[in-house]
Amino acid sequence: NAGVTQTPKFRVLKTGQSMTLLCAQDMNHEYMYWYRQDPGMGLRLIHYSVGEGTTAKGEVPDGYNVSRLKKQNFLLGLESAAPSQTSVYFCASGDPTYEQYFGPGTRLTVT
Amino acid sequence: GQSLEQPSEVTAVEGAIVQINCTYQTSGFYGLSWYQQHDGGAPTFLSYNGLDGLEETGRFSSFLSRSDSYGYLLLQELQMKDSASYFCSIYMDSNYQLIWGAGTKLIIKP
Repeated sequence: NAGVTQTPKFRVLKTGQSMTLLCAQDMNHEYMYWYRQDPGMGLRLIHYSVGEGTTAKGEVPDGYNVSRLKKQNFLLGLESAAPSQTSVYFCASGDPTYEQYFGPGTRLTVT
Repeated sequence: GQSLEQPSEVTAVEGAIVQINCTYQTSGFYGLSWYQQHDGGAPTFLSYNGLDGLEETGRFSSFLSRSDSYGYLLLQELQMKDSASYFCSIYMDSNYQLIWGAGTKLIIKP
């Protein structure tokens, strides 16, 4: 089992560009999450999904959109990137009350 | 509001025992989880307390007291590889939000 995978691992964008981050899990989890982590900080929840076809806002959803068309995939989109969105993005899946499994992260720089 | 407070940094000596506290100012959550994150890596699950009391997993133990609004992670027989950041997390049963502490950086000296 691969667990949770994320693509790409690194990306540099110019202000105003758009991109999509892909997260895939092979553990048949209903719940999936997107977090951002700024240097020296904790995790902040951007959006999450409780099942195929559903999405919900987390703590910091502005500037991001998500889609969960298939149970195993959770996409995070940035429509118009801003320097404030420079961060490390983690995808996770699993039971929110107990254990989440994290992907390796995507390091995004917006110049 | 809903928040989890952790010390920003803790220093300990190899072979010693260290306790990392997590205090909260909310109620109505399912349980307290702990995660470890090495520099440049992803968080990995360590321990969970759904009920008050102590949970032991090898060298790591975690404790929760809902009446005192705090929990802690206890690391015994510290090894250099335990140098990492440790995060506590709760899942609110009122608004289904996941709340994370800012993390505690554990520095281990030989």
